[in-house]
Amino acid sequence: AQKVTQAQTEISVVEKEDVTLDCVYETRDTTYYLFWYKQPPSGELVFLIRRNSFDEQNEISGRYSWNFQKSTSSFNFTITASQVVDSAVYFCALRDPGYALNFGKGTSLLVTP
Amino acid sequence: KAGVTQTPRYLIKTRGQQVTLSCSPISGHRSVSWYQQTPGQGLQFLFEYFSETQRNKGNFPGRFSGRQFSNSRSEMNVSTLELGDSALYLCASSLTTGGAGNTGELFFGEGSRLTVL
Repeated sequence: AQKVTQAQTEISVVEKEDVTLDCVYETRDTTYYLFWYKQPPSGELVFLIRRNSFDEQNEISGRYSWNFQKSTSSFNFTITASQVVDSAVYFCALRDPGYALNFGKGTSLLVTP
Repeated sequence: KAGVTQTPRYLIKTRGQQVTLSCSPISGHRSVSWYQQTPGQGLQFLFEYFSETQRNKGNFPGRFSGRQFSNSRSEMNVSTLELGDSALYLCASSLTTGGAGNTGELFFGEGSRLTVL
């Protein structure tokens, strides 16, 4: 069975601080896909990144970076120099063999001025 | 281009009633998935439709059903509503379903918030 754990329920930081959102996953599949989505107050989930299990190269996109480590089954997400607009709920997800997404419970990030 | 459109955005029903939610995918997208989001259970997969066929279904009772039309628009129906069905129902579309060439990226709508009294 697949499982995604986001141990941090809520995080509060002051603007310009760096923040890391943790994601730990469980799967028996040798090939799998991991995702991060952002959910602003409006409700829609916004795709941030997809990572294949065979590609452990970390990725940086502007202020966002992702650290994928198969050895620890983790796919962590870091926001550098956080901004108020980053306030949202962030979900880590694992795609199952049927292509449905198994989401973690989400981490609510609040960035205050 | 226009995003995923879900209607209605908000609705209130009473126990025992039924409800139909509508989802218009991004133009050209042929796969539509539905997810239920509740504070207790989080985001859970309901089902996916591709080319008018249900190709995957989550662990939900038969009261939850859906369909997809030839123009890729999708509807989901919940019959005999229960209090626990109160949730945000999110629709997501993608260009195709799983398989070669599918990045798996889903484009979500803003959801239909259902309250059951």
